[in-house]
Amino acid sequence: KNQVEQSPQSLIILEGKNCTLQCNYTVSPFSNLRWYKQDTGRGPVSLTIMTFSENTKSNGRYTATLDADTKQSSLHITASQLSDSASYICVVARPGNTPLVFGKGTRLSVIA
Amino acid sequence: DAGVTQSPTHLIKTRGQQVTLRCSPKSGHDTVSWYQQALGQGPQFIFQYYEEEERQRGNFPDRFSGHQYPNYSSELNVNALLLGDSALYLCASSYRPSGGRGTGELFFGEGSRLTVL
Repeated sequence: KNQVEQSPQSLIILEGKNCTLQCNYTVSPFSNLRWYKQDTGRGPVSLTIMTFSENTKSNGRYTATLDADTKQSSLHITASQLSDSASYICVVARPGNTPLVFGKGTRLSVIA
Repeated sequence: DAGVTQSPTHLIKTRGQQVTLRCSPKSGHDTVSWYQQALGQGPQFIFQYYEEEERQRGNFPDRFSGHQYPNYSSELNVNALLLGDSALYLCASSYRPSGGRGTGELFFGEGSRLTVL
């Protein structure tokens, strides 16, 4: 079954600290993996998209890694800010026009 | 450059009523997908429209229907509303259903929050 599992479900960190969010997937075949940031009550915003051949991709303080062999990805946030408080959703795409498979997200709270 | 716009942003309906949600895609995009997101859950795919036709459909009943207009804007209609239909409805646009030769990146709107009482 095509699934995307994220951990932890929620996380609280102090402002300025780093954190890493995990994503494991069983989706096959694989086309690309995406990380989205979703503020409460808002639409998701794309952070990174990685294809099979990409191991690491950065977007400012966000760095995503992908291990296509073990079907794992991580999103590392450096020097967290209060504005990083949001849900982070891992999404896996299959080739062609097939629906994306969404994880349930990790709810990150950054506190002062 | 306007992004994906959705309307209304919030609405309240009662069981049994019907609702229509609207979406205008990002400039240059021709494909619209609709998602339902319950509180604390990831988005669930409802359906996708391209060239004014439904191209893909998720596991949603026929009460959920849609339309795409020649200007690529789209509507989501839900009939006979149930309490369980309360959710954030997201519209996402892309260029071509699978993004053509690209990675099929989706751009999401801010969503329409539907509450069914």
